[in-house]
Amino acid sequence: GDSVTQMEGPVTLSEEAFLTINCTYTATGYPSLFWYVQYPGEGLQLLLKATKADDKGSNKGFEATYRKETTSFHLEKGSVQVSDSAVYFCALSDAKAAGNKLTFGGGTRVLVKP
Amino acid sequence: GAVVSQHPSWVICKSGTSVKIECRSLDFQATTMFWYRQFPKQSLMLMATSNEGSKATYEQGVEKDKFLINHASLTLSTLTVTSAHPEDSSFYICSARGGGPQHFGDGTRLSIL
Repeated sequence: GDSVTQMEGPVTLSEEAFLTINCTYTATGYPSLFWYVQYPGEGLQLLLKATKADDKGSNKGFEATYRKETTSFHLEKGSVQVSDSAVYFCALSDAKAAGNKLTFGGGTRVLVKP
Repeated sequence: GAVVSQHPSWVICKSGTSVKIECRSLDFQATTMFWYRQFPKQSLMLMATSNEGSKATYEQGVEKDKFLINHASLTLSTLTVTSAHPEDSSFYICSARGGGPQHFGDGTRLSIL
């Protein structure tokens, strides 16, 4: 079945540092890929997405490129802020799966210190 | 746009009672709604998928008689935890989609005493 693997946290950074969160996937079909962010006590917010190979999703300074050859979708931000402290989830959705279900990675907690 | 409202945000109740959680899409019609459960510091576990007007499809291992899901309209789905016990305490999150990506509610923290 489909699966998503992302690096375990927590990841602790100083403000303005470079952030990378690795994400790899396995899928039987040709999935769409997503990054979601969860702030404490809240639900998930879609951060960015990519639907085909070599697509780059970007939002709020975050970027991720759909790499079919390495089955990866790593999240990057060049200069993090304290407000970026959250849990980040990589996910895939296989259009062939019933209901377009999302398969989530385990989540990576990021803590940005002033 | 694409706002999903979940209510209540926090509920505490005694063991044996039933609890209903509502999930509403405020500005779009949700043909499909999803219910997830999240344990502390863990990922989301899909419980069930519901399409408007039809029975929910439950994931393996989820008791459908324990977690009753109703999706009676294109803007509302409800999850009822029946005869709740302490092991049902968790963070429950709904999401809704109307053809595009899933949009998530802010979750409901359920504590059973």
